[in-house]
Amino acid sequence: GAVVSQHPSRVICKSGTSVKIECRSLDFQATTMFWYRQFPKQSLMLMATSNEGSKATYEQGVEKDKFLINHASLTLSTLTVTSAHPEDSSFYICSAREYRGLGETQYFGPGTRLLVL
Amino acid sequence: AQSVTQPDIHITVSEGASLELRCNYSYGATPYLFWYVQSPGQGLQLLLKYFSGDTLVQGIKGFEAEFKRSQSSFNLRKPSVHWSDAAEYFCAVGAPGGYNKLIFGAGTRLAVHP
Repeated sequence: GAVVSQHPSRVICKSGTSVKIECRSLDFQATTMFWYRQFPKQSLMLMATSNEGSKATYEQGVEKDKFLINHASLTLSTLTVTSAHPEDSSFYICSAREYRGLGETQYFGPGTRLLVL
Repeated sequence: AQSVTQPDIHITVSEGASLELRCNYSYGATPYLFWYVQSPGQGLQLLLKYFSGDTLVQGIKGFEAEFKRSQSSFNLRKPSVHWSDAAEYFCAVGAPGGYNKLIFGAGTRLAVHP
């Protein structure tokens, strides 16, 4: 099956610093990747849709300048949390969309747990 | 607007018992339907998906799901649960015909008693 990796799996940073999270599709090309945020014991909240070679599309209420997304290649998208604050602490999950046959499927990465002190 | 309802927030079953997790969706046509499983601290793993055709879909780990158009449901089943099945299960819908976001249900947390 399609594999999506994320790096790092866990990061702790000081308030005010920036953190970059990478999402890679390992065995397929993904023209579209998605970034989600998940709070404890809750469902996934879509933050933005990342299209290769173009600007990301952000969901309502998500700050574009706070969460910078870059999708420079068909296998890599990055999420940078700028000037992180404790309220940004969360579990961030990416997914990559694959077309195969009849329909499309999103495959998810293992997630990145961010703790801002 | 699309929506997904998972009526059961938490379910507990005994190991070896059968399992059914409910999922109802709201959509104007037949959507793409998915079930994902998430273990604690992990990402989501795709269990199975439905695009069209046979309404009974087989997935990994012995799971199956049945699409019932008349009931707008896509319930997940497993005949005999194993302790390793304890996890969070998410139902999701997506609109066919090109890119679209997945809409997730709130999730059902499954606990398995020995």
